[in-house]
Amino acid sequence: DSGVTQTPKHLITATGQRVTLRCSPRSGDLSVYWYQQSLDQGLQFLIQYYNGEERAKGNILERFSAQQFPDLHSELNLSSLELGDSALYFCASSVGPGANQPQHFGDGTRLSIL
Amino acid sequence: DQQVKQNSPSLSVQEGRISILNCDYTNSMFDYFLWYKKYPAEGPTFLISISSIKDKNEDGRFTVFLNKSAKHLSLHIVPSQPGDSAVYFCAASALGGANSKLTFGKGITLSVRP
Repeated sequence: DSGVTQTPKHLITATGQRVTLRCSPRSGDLSVYWYQQSLDQGLQFLIQYYNGEERAKGNILERFSAQQFPDLHSELNLSSLELGDSALYFCASSVGPGANQPQHFGDGTRLSIL
Repeated sequence: DQQVKQNSPSLSVQEGRISILNCDYTNSMFDYFLWYKKYPAEGPTFLISISSIKDKNEDGRFTVFLNKSAKHLSLHIVPSQPGDSAVYFCAASALGGANSKLTFGKGITLSVRP
């Protein structure tokens, strides 16, 4: 158990809809990262928050947004969903802001767009 | 453009033998490298990392070797155990990890035969 909690585990919805994925980091971790893993793809970095502030941005679509709340949990919002958004979405956390330390991953949310 | 490449999608080894998992990278700015292991329906788990100031890092049965001139790293598992059967991801970051983005390869599926 990594200590990172992601909900829900599975999400099935239709094109054009909006969903929110939730992540609770490990106790004491201030950084939260979001990754997308599509079929046959490695994990693609989307965005990072550190202590409530956006720290780094990757290949995140404009239809996607995220935030980190004062209690350090984070939410990833996906809107105007398309079939290609079907993927595994992972959240990870670490103590500090840099990548030179292990990131601890949750078990992911599997999003299926019908 | 895939900056971290794991060209062999799968590897099968006999229990007790050595497993060698390879990873190549193209971005010369990468200077911190990590290996993650992933079981089905779980998130990636951090295994071992190496900074570019080193060429070898060892942790128990796991050793990572870095060849900067060849832009190549490898993970050695000795001896291999059936419980090591999983997908292994190589990841890299730049600027000593101060740039918090991790770039992942697509993964190698390791099967250890009893």
